[in-house]
Amino acid sequence: GAVVSQHPSRVICKSGTSVKIECRSLDFQATTMFWYRQFPKKSLMLMATSNEGSKATYEQGVEKDKFLINHASLTLSTLTVTSAHPEDSSFYICSARDLMVRGQETQYFGPGTRLLVL
Amino acid sequence: KQEVTQIPAALSVPEGENLVLNCSFTDSAIYNLQWFRQDPGKGLTSLLLIQSSQREQTSGRLNASLDKSSGRSTLYIAASQPGDSATYLCAEGGSYIPTFGRGTSLIVHP
Repeated sequence: GAVVSQHPSRVICKSGTSVKIECRSLDFQATTMFWYRQFPKKSLMLMATSNEGSKATYEQGVEKDKFLINHASLTLSTLTVTSAHPEDSSFYICSARDLMVRGQETQYFGPGTRLLVL
Repeated sequence: KQEVTQIPAALSVPEGENLVLNCSFTDSAIYNLQWFRQDPGKGLTSLLLIQSSQREQTSGRLNASLDKSSGRSTLYIAASQPGDSATYLCAEGGSYIPTFGRGTSLIVHP
């Protein structure tokens, strides 16, 4: 079945540095990918929708200059947390839509990336 | 805007019990409904996906049902085991953007 991978799975960085997280669809093309953030004991909150070849659409309250999203190809989207601070520590999960069958789009989720900013 | 609610938020049962997790959604015009499992500090593992045209899906001891008219989905776990302990999330696929519930934290004790 379709698989979505994320890299890295876990990252620890110093405050002020930037961190890039990759999301790849391994055996299907994804024109749209989604980035989520999960706070402890909370549900997944949609951060932004990443569209291949165009600018990402950010949800209200998400700083686009803080969380840079690039969807350069049909199989890769990246999320860069710029000038990370401890409050950015969280679990980030991406998902990708498989458009193989029109009207039967399926979401596949990556395994997540645990970010800890010291 | 679609809202997804999961009840109960937490559940603790003895091993061997059959249990039901509930998921409700406010907009019945859903695309699909998906159940996930999340272990502590881990990503999501897809358990079952029900398309809007389907009423249920089964995988091993798991059975998920979908009733669009009432805005509900249930995940039935038969003969629960300690290894089933995890957080279970449901997500409504939506026409474009999936919406997640907050999850049900399940503990199955020996």
